[in-house]
Amino acid sequence: AQSVTQLDSHVSVSEGTPVLLRCNYSSSYSPSLFWYVQHPNKGLQLLLKYTSAATLVKGINGFEAEFKKSETSFHLTKPSAHMSDAAEYFCVVSDRGTGRRALTFGSGTRLQVQP
Amino acid sequence: NAGVTQTPKFQVLKTGQSMTLQCAQDMNHEYMSWYRQDPGMGLRLIHYSVGAGITDQGEVPNGYNVSRSTTEDFPLRLLSAAPSQTSVYFCASGETGRSGNTIYFGEGSWLTVV
Repeated sequence: AQSVTQLDSHVSVSEGTPVLLRCNYSSSYSPSLFWYVQHPNKGLQLLLKYTSAATLVKGINGFEAEFKKSETSFHLTKPSAHMSDAAEYFCVVSDRGTGRRALTFGSGTRLQVQP
Repeated sequence: NAGVTQTPKFQVLKTGQSMTLQCAQDMNHEYMSWYRQDPGMGLRLIHYSVGAGITDQGEVPNGYNVSRSTTEDFPLRLLSAAPSQTSVYFCASGETGRSGNTIYFGEGSWLTVV
């Protein structure tokens, strides 16, 4: 079984300050992990993914995430927030042992960026 | 490059009506799936397919049917709409659906059942 917990439903930062969106996962097997972003009334766009290569993963728009197996975490960070980063972010796990080949989504974190 | 295309974008149904949400992808992907998104719950898998002629149930399949007669198309049918099916529906596709493969999403279909 696999599950994802996003520890904050809302995060508010000021433009130019760092962003941290927290994600913990549970997986019976070696997981693949993703972060997706959803802007209002839009579909989901892949930010980055981890698939057992380097534990520090760099994505689009300056985002990165670090896979920490000992902490079962995959937190998303960005050094400096931009107004255009305001959106909802989803942490997603895909368990290699899952017969359904499904993605399990966290409940989402809404990022607000203040000017 | 169209990617994953969903229609309609918005729909209002009366309880008991049936309808089909269309999904098409032009990337020759084996794997296609339907999710619903409800506030505070992320996305939940309804049905998925790993190739033409092959479909399977996801986490919340009740009240929905799917078929996969071609690689490109994966329609989702609501048999008798209920207010609990008011949601945003996303179609997605990927090369194989195996762990690690990137999944691409359509822009969503907003469905209201009154």
